[in-house]
Amino acid sequence: KNEVEQSPQNLTAQEGEFITINCSYSVGISALHWLQQHPGGGIVSLFMLSSGKKKHGRLIATINIQEKHSSLHITASHPRDSAVYICAGYSGGGADGLTFGKGTHLIIQP
Amino acid sequence: EAGVTQFPSHSVIEKGQTVTLRCDPISGHDNLYWYRRVMGKEIKFLLHFVKESKQDESGMPNNRFLAERTGGTYSTLKVQPAELEDSGVYFCASGLTEETQYFGPGTRLLVL
Repeated sequence: KNEVEQSPQNLTAQEGEFITINCSYSVGISALHWLQQHPGGGIVSLFMLSSGKKKHGRLIATINIQEKHSSLHITASHPRDSAVYICAGYSGGGADGLTFGKGTHLIIQP
Repeated sequence: EAGVTQFPSHSVIEKGQTVTLRCDPISGHDNLYWYRRVMGKEIKFLLHFVKESKQDESGMPNNRFLAERTGGTYSTLKVQPAELEDSGVYFCASGLTEETQYFGPGTRLLVL
């Protein structure tokens, strides 16, 4: 059974701080999605990665395949980054659909 | 390019009634997925269409849920009869490949 574990569950930080959200996943997951959901909003796909590192603006996602671990970093955090961040694993093969973590509720205070 | 759209955005119904949710994927995307998040839990996979065929419906909770994708374009998810535990947010996603998925805004369903 595929599993995805996220930490922390909740995170409150001050504007400008460097943020790290972690995700560990089980054997069988070959790619990882990082998703963002603002309060009352839909889900936005931030990154999909199966190796290495990706960067978009102030967001950076890394994945370590050997350790089955991925991190999402936010540099120079801003109150508008406040949202739920979700990692979801894709396993392909016979197990369709993504396996989701519980999400990290991030609040950036001004 | 238009994204994945879902209708309605919100639905409030009484227990025992029927509700039909609609998802319009990005044009040309053969893969279409339904997911849902019930209160306090993580998002769970419901089913996956490739064109008009159900590739995997292992996540459908019970036979009160029926999904269709006639013609391989938009999809509907019908809940009949709705129960209280069906309340949650229903997301649709589409993709050219199984790996890359673009999500819709979700339909918030409340069963009273």
